[in-house]
Amino acid sequence: DIQMTQSPSSLSASVGDRVTITCRASQSISDYLNWYQQKPGKAPKLLIYAAFSLQSGVPSRFSGSGSGTDFTLTISSLQPEDFATYYCQQSYSTPITFGPGTKVDIK
Amino acid sequence: EVQLVESGGGLVQPGGSLRLSCAASGFTVSSNYMSWVRQAPGKGLEWVSVIYSGGSTYYADSVKGRFTVSRDTSKNTLFLQMNSLRAEDTAVYYCARAPPSGTYYDFDYWGQGTLVTVSS
Repeated sequence: DIQMTQSPSSLSASVGDRVTITCRASQSISDYLNWYQQKPGKAPKLLIYAAFSLQSGVPSRFSGSGSGTDFTLTISSLQPEDFATYYCQQSYSTPITFGPGTKVDIK
Repeated sequence: EVQLVESGGGLVQPGGSLRLSCAASGFTVSSNYMSWVRQAPGKGLEWVSVIYSGGSTYYADSVKGRFTVSRDTSKNTLFLQMNSLRAEDTAVYYCARAPPSGTYYDFDYWGQGTLVTVSS
């Protein structure tokens, strides 16, 4: 199975900050990497697919990069509605696996 | 408008069974790749199973042999039959759609989730 790790596990940031979350796969997954945002009590929401493609309707302040084993989600200017938990997910092979999540809260 | 609505969750004793449903609207279940993903209380996301548009199914090792995913094209509904339930199956279960244009696992729509609690 492909193991996914994320760092940091949590971070505190202010509105307007640039935030970067990293995700690492235990083996190369090319660009088969998705990012999701989840708010408490809600279903996850797809933000980025195929490592860097922005899902329709997602604000352009979200961006993704990387390939192989190392990936990054960047929020260019954090907004109040962005405080949430973010998960990466590999879609390269079954079993599909998610990272443990990064919780972004208010500083 | 695409919508997924799960139902069927509840409290069940260890060793018991439960059948979850996911009613879809705004698209055709059998033309997409439909997965179940679960989330234990306070924990992360765990993929459970998938049914491809062609009907092939795959499962996480943790549920293989106990869970069965299926669909009813006439009702445009996805199902998850869960047998031999264990305490560690306690979670919110989400159904999720992956469109055929992607990798089969780019989950662009999710249901609201249904809570399954396995306890005596």
